[in-house]
Amino acid sequence: GQQVMQIPQYQHVQEGEDFTTYCNSSTTLSNIQWYKQRPGGHPVFLIQLVKSGEVKKQKRLTFQFGEAKKNSSLHITATQTTDVGTYFCAGRDSSYKLIFGSGTRLLVRP
Amino acid sequence: GAVVSQHPSRVICKSGTSVKIECRSLDFQATTMFWYRQFPKQSLMLMATSNEGSKATYEQGVEKDKFLINHASLTLSTLTVTSAHPEDSSFYICSASYRVAGGPRELFFGEGSRLTVL
Repeated sequence: GQQVMQIPQYQHVQEGEDFTTYCNSSTTLSNIQWYKQRPGGHPVFLIQLVKSGEVKKQKRLTFQFGEAKKNSSLHITATQTTDVGTYFCAGRDSSYKLIFGSGTRLLVRP
Repeated sequence: GAVVSQHPSRVICKSGTSVKIECRSLDFQATTMFWYRQFPKQSLMLMATSNEGSKATYEQGVEKDKFLINHASLTLSTLTVTSAHPEDSSFYICSASYRVAGGPRELFFGEGSRLTVL
């Protein structure tokens, strides 16, 4: 079945440093979504990417969708303590359901 | 946005008992809801897709008789963990798909239910 992997599993950065998480799917995706889950909370939708090679920005967050539509990345510039949480990518292939990646847990040292 | 409410948020039960978790879409109708399970510091694993008025679709490896899903109305889906055992202890979270005006169809999650089986 479809598998979605993320690296790294954990990332511990100093506040102000940049952060990137990478997402790779075993199959071609029709679209990819990113979610953020704060400790003790539930996932919250961040963004959806649909087009091959698409790049979207949300303030300090930059999202990319690979040309082959099998990988994606999330880059945070100048991390803040409010960025702490686990970031999940979620891929949707030809079926309707969304399969979540393994997640990258971000910790930020103030 | 859309609001999905889940209840109870925490439940502790004895081994062998059954536990029912409710998931409600408060301000929209959800013909399809999704039930996920999340172990500590791990990803969300899709358990089943709940379809209003019909049988749920279970993912491979998920026991249908163990995790009973009922989606009797357009705003309510329930997950019943039958004859719960300690290995069923986990964070169960539901979601519903909704398209915010002008945006993509995204998943809105309930607050989750933390089940502890003693």
